[in-house]
Amino acid sequence: DAGVTQSPTHLIKTRGQQVTLRCSPKSGHDTVSWYQQALGQGPQFIFQYYEEEERQRGNFPDRFSGHQFPNYSSELNVNALLLGDSALYLCASSFGTSGTDTQYFGPGTRLTVL
Amino acid sequence: GQNIDQPTEMTATEGAIVQINCTYQTSGFNGLFWYQQHAGEAPTFLSYNVLDGLEEKGRFSSFLSRSKGYSYLLLKELQMKDSASYLCAAANDYKLSFGAGTTVTVRA
Repeated sequence: DAGVTQSPTHLIKTRGQQVTLRCSPKSGHDTVSWYQQALGQGPQFIFQYYEEEERQRGNFPDRFSGHQFPNYSSELNVNALLLGDSALYLCASSFGTSGTDTQYFGPGTRLTVL
Repeated sequence: GQNIDQPTEMTATEGAIVQINCTYQTSGFNGLFWYQQHAGEAPTFLSYNVLDGLEEKGRFSSFLSRSKGYSYLLLKELQMKDSASYLCAAANDYKLSFGAGTTVTVRA
């Protein structure tokens, strides 16, 4: 039973560029959440997708956007990259419509912006 | 807004017990999660409390008091592999609001 997978593992970009990160949820899960984790900090909620719609969004600018596909996989897009966007980006999947469903995390994508 | 507080670091000896406290102030609180995160790896789920009281799962136990906005994670019979960051997360609506994490170092 495959867990949550993310690609790529590492990514280096320069300021102003755009990046797309990908996530495949755990088998049987239909909900995908994205988090940003800066070094030494806890993960910060970016947004959650369910039934191909953004269900909830955290305090992130519109430069951060996403998409969920019919197979429940998801993408996170970040435009006009800033140095401060350098972080570990974590995808978490869950099943169900309750706010208490356990979220399982993928290994993350380490983004470095130069 | 959300405010999740936990100690930054704790050190304990192999075989000992360590208790990691977490206080939270959130709107729309649904429950409290604990995750373990080894350096450079993804957070892994440890426990979830929605009702007041103690939940025991092997060497790990977690406690919740909703009226006090307080939780703790208890790690018993510490092993070297328990050296990691422990993240407290409050569930509200559909998101998790995390604390900064407590780095636990287990010494021989």
